[in-house]
Amino acid sequence: ELKVEQNPLFLSMQEGKNYTIYCNYSTTSDRLYWYRQDPGKSLESLFVLLSNGAVKQEGRLMASLDTKARLSTLHITAAVHDLSATYFCAVDIVGSQGNLIFGKGTKLSVKP
Amino acid sequence: GAVVSQHPSWVICKSGTSVKIECRSLDFQATTMFWYRQFPKQSLMLMATSNEGSKATYEQGVEKDKFLINHASLTLSTLTVTSAHPEDSSFYICSARARDRGRKTEAFFGQGTRLTVV
Repeated sequence: ELKVEQNPLFLSMQEGKNYTIYCNYSTTSDRLYWYRQDPGKSLESLFVLLSNGAVKQEGRLMASLDTKARLSTLHITAAVHDLSATYFCAVDIVGSQGNLIFGKGTKLSVKP
Repeated sequence: GAVVSQHPSWVICKSGTSVKIECRSLDFQATTMFWYRQFPKQSLMLMATSNEGSKATYEQGVEKDKFLINHASLTLSTLTVTSAHPEDSSFYICSARARDRGRKTEAFFGQGTRLTVV
């Protein structure tokens, strides 16, 4: 069974702190995505990771991919309130038609 | 990135009526489009996959006669919720992908449609 497991599902952080969200998946993937979703809105693409060892950074967010461990991480550095949102990882399955398999999402709340 | 436009952004309809949602790829030809549904505080669940010019493939548990999908061109797919009921109230999101020299391109998402059935 295809599984994409994210943890934690809920994360309450103080501003200025660091934390990591984890995304494990159960089958071979040729692409891994991280998205941000604000309440009532659609998905905002953050990162697309294509290969083993890929690391991408944008502002206070950094994503990495280990295809051998089937693990991706989203690291938050010195969190600010504006980062409060729900973050999803999604996996592109090799040989599929192209639908993504989503994790359950991590609801991040950054408090002053 | 490429743009996928979804319309309407929100709609309120009465029980028993039908609602059509459009998904357009504005600057690329989408060989495949996907329709997802998202209930409050949950993740996205795939409803169906549509390829231009062919019948949609529905996921298990999704009624094809209730959720009619048409993908008549490479830039437009529509989802029609027929005889809507309050339990169909949800956030519907489309996604579009193309193929470049045989490889799938990145997935692009529409803005979503909030459907409320009263």
